[in-house]
Amino acid sequence: KAGVTQTPRYLIKTRGQQVTLSCSPISGHRSVSWYQQTPGQGLQFLFEYFSETQRNKGNFPGRFSGRQFSNSRSEMNVSTLELGDSALYLCASSLAGGGTEAFFGQGTRLTVV
Amino acid sequence: AQSVTQPDIHITVSEGASLELRCNYSYGATPYLFWYVQSPGQGLQLLLKYFSGDTLVQGIKGFEAEFKRSQSSFNLRKPSVHWSDAAEYFCAVGGRNTDKLIFGTGTRLQVFP
Repeated sequence: KAGVTQTPRYLIKTRGQQVTLSCSPISGHRSVSWYQQTPGQGLQFLFEYFSETQRNKGNFPGRFSGRQFSNSRSEMNVSTLELGDSALYLCASSLAGGGTEAFFGQGTRLTVV
Repeated sequence: AQSVTQPDIHITVSEGASLELRCNYSYGATPYLFWYVQSPGQGLQLLLKYFSGDTLVQGIKGFEAEFKRSQSSFNLRKPSVHWSDAAEYFCAVGGRNTDKLIFGTGTRLQVFP
């Protein structure tokens, strides 16, 4: 059974640009959650989607958005990038919802210069 | 408020020694508890989980954890550490009625030969 796939693995962007990250969950899982990991703030919850509906959103500005498609694949978008957005972005897939057993992808390392 | 505390930022042990990583949580409802491990630049791998029932749970790689409701703790243990166990370990709490996991700040484990 394939795991959670995140693409791309690495990204370098310039301040002010926008970026889209992709996540393919484990087959059959309808919940996809996104987390931001930085040395200073640790792992912070961005949002959770279940069957194409955003059910929860963390305390991030509106520049951070996401969506989920009918095949459960998810994308997150960050617009008007800031230096502080440099982080490892992790996607988690779960069967029953973001607060239950979650399986993580390898992450996308975003560097904003 | 819901939170997870990992009081030890960094732990160093000798190979073959026993290990205990501490985790305390604050959660209003019945918690789901997890331990994850992360190698540098990688995603999170689920080591073990507790939902209900037997308070001593076994996980992968020879790890176990014990849930103690009276102490709001879920400490991770391993009887004999291997050099390959060097990584960062995260404790997390979730639940059936929440859409996200709340993570502790992590404990970095260093193993000396």
